[in-house]
Parts: sequence; C-alpha cells; structure tokens
Amino acid sequence: RKEVEQDPGPFNVPEGATVAFNCTYSNSASQSFFWYRQDCRKEPKLLMSVYSSGNEDGRFTAQLNRASQYISLLIRDSKLSDSATYLCVVNWFGGGSNYKLTFGKGTLLTVNP
Amino acid sequence: EPEVTQTPSHQVTQMGQEVILRCVPISNHLYFYWYRQILGQKVEFLVSFYNNEISEKSEIFDDQFSVERPDGSNFTLKIRSTKLEDSAMYFCASTPEQSYEQYFGPGTRLTVT
Repeated sequence: RKEVEQDPGPFNVPEGATVAFNCTYSNSASQSFFWYRQDCRKEPKLLMSVYSSGNEDGRFTAQLNRASQYISLLIRDSKLSDSATYLCVVNWFGGGSNYKLTFGKGTLLTVNP
Repeated sequence: EPEVTQTPSHQVTQMGQEVILRCVPISNHLYFYWYRQILGQKVEFLVSFYNNEISEKSEIFDDQFSVERPDGSNFTLKIRSTKLEDSAMYFCASTPEQSYEQYFGPGTRLTVT
C-alpha cells in the first residue's frame, strides 16, 4: 500500500520561529515530491516542488532523501500568514501518461503573535 | 494568473439523486484530475483523464462515478445515485504537458442528505 506519513502536529509557534515538517513515503519508485499548503476549507495550493539536491524559495527550504524515503520542509522567520495545514505530497507514475498525487494527512501550523 | 474554476461552490442533494460537478481546467493544460476530501480526512485521488479518456481510477471511483469532457473547456464529474458517504469536498486539478505539478480548483462542497 502506497502511503505518505507526516508529523501529526499540531504545531503552535510564535512569530519569527523556525519550524520543520517531516514526511516519509513508502514507495521507493516515487517520481516527484511536493509540499502543498491548505487553508481551512480551501483547496491545496502548491507551495514548492522538492528536488533531490534540495531547494529554497525565500523563507522555505525543502529537502529530499531518496535513500531514506524522507522529505522535509523548513520555514524560517514564520509569519502569521504561514498558519495553514502543510501537506506532503508524492507523485507515483500511474501508468500510461498520467500521474496521480498521494497526500499525507497534513500537519496543522498555527503561528501566534 | 490562470486558475482552475469549479461550479457550483456548494451543492446540496438528496440521497439517490444524480449530481454533476463542473470544472474548467487551465486552458493549455492537458491532464485533468478529480480528488475528494471528506471533512477532517486527507485528499484522495479519484480519477485522471487525458486525451479524452480515463488514464487511471482509484477503488473509490466505482460505477456510480463518471467523467466527461463535453467540450473544449469543461470537465465534469457525475455521481449517478448519491450516497450519504459521498458528502465531501471535490477538487478538480489540471497539469500542463511536461510537468508533474497539479493545480487545484477551489472545490465543490457536496452535501448529501
């Protein structure tokens, strides 16, 4: 069974804190990796793709360790607007020419003033 | 910035009725998907669609579900005879060619009474 497991959370941090999210996936044949954020009762929004070499986008840094089947997201200098559920998402090749996303349950982050 | 749109935003129906959920994917995208999210649970893949046919479907996508691209812009999900357990948010997503990144619409909240 193909699974994506995340820290259960929730995380409550003060503004300006650094927070890290961890994720593991079960299928070693996984093709691509993402972090999405989801605000309450809204759609998942792509935050960043995760590459093997690691990648950074402003205050956000994502890492991938294929050997350990582990993905992480680091948020530095957290803002009130970062409050959301962070979803670890893995893409398995579904055959043919399509891919399907498998989502973790998400980790709720609340940044407090 | 182009977006995926979905209508209606909220649909209330009685058990046993048919519903059609509508999506307009981003115009130059070629791959289309439906996902659902039961309240408090993770986002789950339903079906992927490419070149006017289903590429893959999950075990959730049984004979009660169907998808169609009736014209060049709309992508629909039909549930023939709704059950109480079909109550969920239904998200449409699309992907351009040569990309694994999926972009989600705002969702349709389906309530079956």
